[in-house]
Amino acid sequence: QSVLIQPPSASGTPGQRVTISCTGSSSNIGTFFLYWYQQLPGMAPKLLISKNNQRPSGVPDRFSGSVSGTSASLAISGLRSEDEAYYYCAAWDNSLSGWVFGAGTNLTVL
Amino acid sequence: EVRLVESGGNLVQPGGSLRLSCVISGFTFDAYAMHWVRQVPGKGLEWVSSIGWDSDFKAYADSVRGRFTISRDSARNSLYLQMDSLRPEDTALYYCVKGEGLGTSIGFDHWGQGTPLTVSS
Repeated sequence: QSVLIQPPSASGTPGQRVTISCTGSSSNIGTFFLYWYQQLPGMAPKLLISKNNQRPSGVPDRFSGSVSGTSASLAISGLRSEDEAYYYCAAWDNSLSGWVFGAGTNLTVL
Repeated sequence: EVRLVESGGNLVQPGGSLRLSCVISGFTFDAYAMHWVRQVPGKGLEWVSSIGWDSDFKAYADSVRGRFTISRDSARNSLYLQMDSLRPEDTALYYCVKGEGLGTSIGFDHWGQGTPLTVSS
């Protein structure tokens, strides 16, 4: 069982808004920044959201992140077929003195 | 352009050793923490190890502590992972990952393409 809990799957139709949750604890999300990574099929992961809610250069503003307490959410608006991917949340955990990842959410665009 | 190029992955017998390397370009190596993350094909991401910008701080996942050693060489712009006492469960694609800042608790912003390790007899 992963330290950060994500739903295994999510889906939506083109143009819809979908959200993916990530639940942690005070030793990780509650204290440290939360990051989101997108992994397209056959590719290396890519940084999608940095420091809870910052979009790196080149990431469309359709992607947004938020944190409340020990939980985080990734929202994708105007869903597109190219958004089909695995999405992982990650944070430093000071109880484990290391990084923890969610198990990943497989987003399907119907 | 930031580039991270891993090498060294191979087929190794259980109990064997291997060293992974990662050569970087496109950024000032000494200004960032670096990390190794692995992924079993078809599975999720697993953090392996992190090293601070000046090598003073190193962290390891429980699954590899005492068997793996992370290091960096600024003269060669290279990150390394020495892996000893390898086990079949270490089989994975190993990614070299650049941190966003000096410290290891700040996230990852660039990933290499990975180098594959298979531990099998």
